[in-house]
Amino acid sequence: QKEVEQDPGPLSVPEGAIVSLNCTYSNSAFQYFMWYRQYSRKGPELLMYTYSSGNKEDGRFTAQVDKSSKYISLFIRDSQPSDSATYLCAWNYGGSQGNLIFGKGTKLSVKP
Amino acid sequence: GAVVSQHPSRVICKSGTSVKIECRSLDFQATTMFWYRQFPKQSLMLMATSNEGSKATYEQGVEKDKFLINHASLTLSTLTVTSAHPEDSSFYICSAWGFNQPQHFGDGTRLSIL
Repeated sequence: QKEVEQDPGPLSVPEGAIVSLNCTYSNSAFQYFMWYRQYSRKGPELLMYTYSSGNKEDGRFTAQVDKSSKYISLFIRDSQPSDSATYLCAWNYGGSQGNLIFGKGTKLSVKP
Repeated sequence: GAVVSQHPSRVICKSGTSVKIECRSLDFQATTMFWYRQFPKQSLMLMATSNEGSKATYEQGVEKDKFLINHASLTLSTLTVTSAHPEDSSFYICSAWGFNQPQHFGDGTRLSIL
């Protein structure tokens, strides 16, 4: 079983839709959870960062972590064409906060 | 603004050339820097972990003599691809981590070896 599972998409939604992106993981040692956004030919940009179960909100973005189910989600409200990118979930083991384990990424396209 | 600066963004060179890529942490002291490689439509693959003042730790299958990493200061790490060949063509991305910081990534370097 892979450590991280993420549906690669592509996912296409109309502008204004609510987007739900999901990842599952198998290693209960993971402590820190992150979502990165990556535009084409650019490095990943950190969107959300959390280490506890529950919801964390930042503007139109909400990250949800369920450690008991080993499941994390990213919700994007009122999606915009500028949200079109690849979204990567990532974990690490804590401590030095290094050695991120990435999902394969979900490619999102928001149509005007 | 950018927290991590990576330079150059694009390199095209002949086979056999050595290429140096710089990664700078702009807003914080980076105790650790990471170097990744990303193939088209694939996720990031960690190549090596670099701690300031010590030798880099390479992931399995990554040739340390091929990919030379130097992390001489808390704000600068360099990756040198030695005697590059077409199969080394890829997108190389660095990231930096410091105390109380998550990893921040550079914008990547697209390397094309002819």
